[in-house]
Amino acid sequence: AQSVSQHNHHVILSEAASLELGCNYSYGGTVNLFWYVQYPGQHLQLLLKYFSGDPLVKGIKGFEAEFIKSKFSFNLRKPSVQWSDTAEYFCAVIAGGFKTIFGAGTRLFVKA
Amino acid sequence: DVKVTQSSRYLVKRTGEKVFLECVQDMDHENMFWYRQDPGLGLRLIYFSYDVKMKEKGDIPEGYSVSREKKERFSLILESASTNQTSMYLCASSFSRDRGLRTEAFFGQGTRLTVV
Repeated sequence: AQSVSQHNHHVILSEAASLELGCNYSYGGTVNLFWYVQYPGQHLQLLLKYFSGDPLVKGIKGFEAEFIKSKFSFNLRKPSVQWSDTAEYFCAVIAGGFKTIFGAGTRLFVKA
Repeated sequence: DVKVTQSSRYLVKRTGEKVFLECVQDMDHENMFWYRQDPGLGLRLIYFSYDVKMKEKGDIPEGYSVSREKKERFSLILESASTNQTSMYLCASSFSRDRGLRTEAFFGQGTRLTVV
Protein backbone atom coordinates (compact mmCIF):
# COMPACT_ATOMS: atom_id res chain seq x y z
CA ALA A 1 0.00 0.00 0.00
CA GLN A 2 1.12 3.54 -0.64
CA SER A 3 2.42 5.38 2.38
CA VAL A 4 4.20 8.54 3.43
CA SER A 5 6.71 8.61 6.28
CA GLN A 6 7.82 11.72 8.09
CA HIS A 7 10.94 11.10 10.09
CA ASN A 8 10.39 13.43 13.01
CA HIS A 9 7.20 13.97 14.94
CA HIS A 10 8.52 16.87 17.00
CA VAL A 11 11.34 19.31 16.22
CA ILE A 12 12.52 22.15 18.43
CA LEU A 13 14.86 24.77 17.00
CA SER A 14 16.14 28.17 17.96
CA GLU A 15 15.53 31.13 15.69
CA ALA A 16 18.02 31.36 12.80
CA ALA A 17 18.75 27.63 12.90
CA SER A 18 18.46 25.66 9.69
CA LEU A 19 15.57 23.27 9.18
CA GLU A 20 15.27 20.01 7.31
CA LEU A 21 12.20 17.82 7.64
CA GLY A 22 12.37 14.41 6.09
CA CYS A 23 9.68 12.80 3.98
CA ASN A 24 9.75 9.45 2.18
CA TYR A 25 6.98 7.84 0.19
CA SER A 26 6.40 4.36 -1.13
CA TYR A 27 5.22 4.29 -4.74
CA GLY A 28 7.17 3.37 -7.85
CA GLY A 29 5.32 5.41 -10.45
CA THR A 30 4.68 9.06 -11.17
CA VAL A 31 3.88 11.15 -8.12
CA ASN A 32 2.73 14.62 -7.27
CA LEU A 33 4.32 15.80 -4.03
CA PHE A 34 3.26 18.47 -1.56
CA TRP A 35 4.14 20.06 1.71
CA TYR A 36 1.31 21.62 3.70
CA VAL A 37 1.56 23.74 6.83
CA GLN A 38 -0.92 24.28 9.63
CA TYR A 39 -0.23 27.30 11.82
CA PRO A 40 -1.83 27.30 15.27
CA GLY A 41 -5.56 27.89 14.96
CA GLN A 42 -5.48 28.10 11.18
CA HIS A 43 -6.46 25.83 8.34
CA LEU A 44 -4.05 23.66 6.40
CA GLN A 45 -2.47 25.51 3.52
CA LEU A 46 -0.10 24.64 0.72
CA LEU A 47 3.56 25.43 1.28
CA LEU A 48 4.92 24.07 -1.99
CA LYS A 49 4.34 21.39 -4.60
CA TYR A 50 6.17 19.32 -7.17
CA PHE A 51 4.59 17.93 -10.31
CA SER A 52 7.47 17.69 -12.77
CA GLY A 53 10.59 19.50 -13.99
CA ASP A 54 13.22 20.99 -11.69
CA PRO A 55 13.38 18.73 -8.63
CA LEU A 56 14.23 21.68 -6.40
CA VAL A 57 11.05 23.60 -5.76
CA LYS A 58 10.60 26.83 -3.90
CA GLY A 59 7.57 27.69 -1.86
CA ILE A 60 6.26 30.48 0.26
CA LYS A 61 8.08 32.06 3.22
CA GLY A 62 11.55 30.90 2.12
CA PHE A 63 10.84 27.18 2.17
CA GLU A 64 12.13 24.81 -0.46
CA ALA A 65 12.02 21.07 -1.06
CA GLU A 66 14.05 18.68 -3.14
CA PHE A 67 12.60 15.66 -4.92
CA ILE A 68 15.10 12.81 -5.11
CA LYS A 69 13.45 10.10 -7.15
CA SER A 70 16.06 7.44 -6.42
CA LYS A 71 15.51 7.89 -2.71
CA PHE A 72 11.72 8.34 -2.88
CA SER A 73 12.23 11.46 -0.82
CA PHE A 74 10.89 15.00 -0.75
CA ASN A 75 12.60 16.77 2.13
CA LEU A 76 11.61 20.26 3.23
CA ARG A 77 14.28 22.84 4.04
CA LYS A 78 14.65 26.38 5.25
CA PRO A 79 18.04 27.99 5.86
CA SER A 80 16.99 30.14 8.81
CA VAL A 81 13.76 29.60 10.74
CA GLN A 82 11.75 32.25 12.50
CA TRP A 83 9.48 32.08 15.51
CA SER A 84 6.53 32.49 13.13
CA ASP A 85 7.41 29.16 11.48
CA THR A 86 6.09 27.34 14.54
CA ALA A 87 3.47 25.05 13.03
CA GLU A 88 2.71 21.50 12.03
CA TYR A 89 4.04 20.39 8.66
CA PHE A 90 2.58 17.62 6.55
CA CYS A 91 4.11 15.89 3.58
CA ALA A 92 1.60 14.51 1.06
CA VAL A 93 1.60 12.47 -2.13
CA ILE A 94 -0.84 11.89 -4.95
CA ALA A 95 0.24 8.63 -6.50
CA GLY A 96 -1.55 7.16 -9.49
CA GLY A 97 -5.07 7.97 -8.41
CA PHE A 98 -7.48 10.31 -6.75
CA LYS A 99 -6.22 10.09 -3.24
CA THR A 100 -3.85 12.42 -1.47
CA ILE A 101 -1.95 10.44 1.15
CA PHE A 102 -0.60 12.39 4.11
CA GLY A 103 2.23 11.73 6.47
CA ALA A 104 1.70 11.80 10.22
CA GLY A 105 2.96 15.38 10.48
CA THR A 106 5.90 17.08 12.18
CA ARG A 107 5.32 19.65 14.89
CA LEU A 108 7.95 22.37 14.72
CA PHE A 109 8.50 24.68 17.65
CA VAL A 110 10.86 27.61 17.15
CA LYS A 111 12.23 29.24 20.28
CA ALA A 112 12.53 33.00 20.12
CA ASP B 1 -9.06 32.96 -3.20
CA VAL B 2 -10.57 29.55 -2.84
CA LYS B 3 -12.86 29.30 0.09
CA VAL B 4 -13.84 26.06 1.72
CA THR B 5 -16.33 26.59 4.50
CA GLN B 6 -17.31 24.08 7.12
CA SER B 7 -20.59 24.70 8.87
CA SER B 8 -19.33 24.39 12.45
CA ARG B 9 -16.01 24.89 14.21
CA TYR B 10 -17.02 22.95 17.31
CA LEU B 11 -19.69 20.33 17.90
CA VAL B 12 -20.61 18.24 20.91
CA LYS B 13 -22.89 15.28 20.29
CA ARG B 14 -24.15 12.34 22.29
CA THR B 15 -23.36 8.73 21.55
CA GLY B 16 -25.87 7.29 19.10
CA GLU B 17 -26.87 10.62 17.56
CA LYS B 18 -26.87 11.11 13.81
CA VAL B 19 -24.42 13.88 12.98
CA PHE B 20 -24.18 15.97 9.83
CA LEU B 21 -21.05 17.89 8.90
CA GLU B 22 -21.45 20.25 6.00
CA CYS B 23 -18.85 21.65 3.64
CA VAL B 24 -19.19 24.19 0.84
CA GLN B 25 -16.56 25.34 -1.66
CA ASP B 26 -16.86 28.31 -3.97
CA MET B 27 -14.37 27.51 -6.73
CA ASP B 28 -16.27 25.00 -8.84
CA HIS B 29 -13.86 22.22 -7.90
CA GLU B 30 -14.69 18.73 -9.11
CA ASN B 31 -13.10 16.89 -6.20
CA MET B 32 -14.08 17.07 -2.56
CA PHE B 33 -12.72 15.16 0.40
CA TRP B 34 -13.37 14.44 4.04
CA TYR B 35 -10.45 13.69 6.33
CA ARG B 36 -10.11 13.19 10.02
CA GLN B 37 -7.04 14.49 11.78
CA ASP B 38 -5.76 12.82 14.93
CA PRO B 39 -2.49 13.52 16.75
CA GLY B 40 0.32 11.31 15.51
CA LEU B 41 -1.79 9.87 12.71
CA GLY B 42 -1.82 12.76 10.27
CA LEU B 43 -4.82 13.08 7.99
CA ARG B 44 -6.77 9.98 7.10
CA LEU B 45 -9.17 9.97 4.20
CA ILE B 46 -12.74 9.00 5.02
CA TYR B 47 -14.52 9.55 1.70
CA PHE B 48 -14.03 11.55 -1.44
CA SER B 49 -16.09 12.58 -4.41
CA TYR B 50 -14.95 13.47 -7.90
CA ASP B 51 -18.33 14.55 -9.24
CA VAL B 52 -21.88 15.21 -8.19
CA LYS B 53 -23.55 12.09 -6.80
CA MET B 54 -20.25 10.20 -7.06
CA LYS B 55 -18.44 8.96 -3.99
CA GLU B 56 -15.54 6.71 -3.20
CA LYS B 57 -14.46 5.17 0.07
CA GLY B 58 -11.21 6.34 1.54
CA ASP B 59 -9.08 4.52 4.05
CA ILE B 60 -11.45 4.67 7.05
CA PRO B 61 -15.07 4.81 5.81
CA GLU B 62 -16.60 2.62 8.52
CA GLY B 63 -19.27 4.43 10.49
CA TYR B 64 -19.51 7.27 7.97
CA SER B 65 -21.45 8.09 4.86
CA VAL B 66 -21.43 11.07 2.51
CA SER B 67 -23.70 12.95 0.20
CA ARG B 68 -22.95 15.16 -2.77
CA GLU B 69 -26.13 16.42 -4.37
CA LYS B 70 -24.60 19.67 -5.64
CA LYS B 71 -21.11 20.33 -6.93
CA GLU B 72 -20.27 22.87 -4.26
CA ARG B 73 -21.50 20.91 -1.25
CA PHE B 74 -20.19 17.71 0.34
CA SER B 75 -21.73 16.38 3.53
CA LEU B 76 -20.31 13.87 5.96
CA ILE B 77 -22.77 11.84 8.00
CA LEU B 78 -22.07 9.91 11.15
CA GLU B 79 -24.96 7.47 11.23
CA SER B 80 -24.65 6.72 14.94
CA ALA B 81 -21.94 8.70 16.63
CA SER B 82 -19.51 6.89 18.88
CA THR B 83 -16.83 8.16 21.23
CA ASN B 84 -14.06 6.89 18.95
CA GLN B 85 -15.28 9.33 16.32
CA THR B 86 -14.22 12.25 18.50
CA SER B 87 -11.76 14.02 16.23
CA MET B 88 -11.00 17.00 14.02
CA TYR B 89 -12.75 16.69 10.67
CA LEU B 90 -11.34 18.48 7.66
CA CYS B 91 -13.04 19.10 4.37
CA ALA B 92 -11.00 19.83 1.26
CA SER B 93 -11.53 20.45 -2.43
CA SER B 94 -9.36 20.36 -5.53
CA PHE B 95 -9.70 20.60 -9.27
CA SER B 96 -8.47 18.18 -11.89
CA ARG B 97 -5.89 19.16 -14.43
CA ASP B 98 -5.62 17.67 -17.88
CA ARG B 99 -6.04 13.90 -18.03
CA GLY B 100 -7.59 13.92 -14.60
CA LEU B 101 -4.39 14.68 -12.69
CA ARG B 102 -5.26 15.93 -9.27
CA THR B 103 -3.83 19.13 -7.90
CA GLU B 104 -3.34 20.52 -4.46
CA ALA B 105 -6.18 20.50 -1.99
CA PHE B 106 -7.71 23.55 -0.34
CA PHE B 107 -8.88 22.99 3.20
CA GLY B 108 -11.59 24.31 5.42
CA GLN B 109 -11.02 25.39 9.02
CA GLY B 110 -12.05 22.07 10.41
CA THR B 111 -14.79 20.90 12.75
CA ARG B 112 -13.77 19.64 16.14
CA LEU B 113 -16.33 17.01 17.05
CA THR B 114 -16.62 15.64 20.54
CA VAL B 115 -18.88 12.65 21.13
CA VAL B 116 -19.85 12.13 24.75
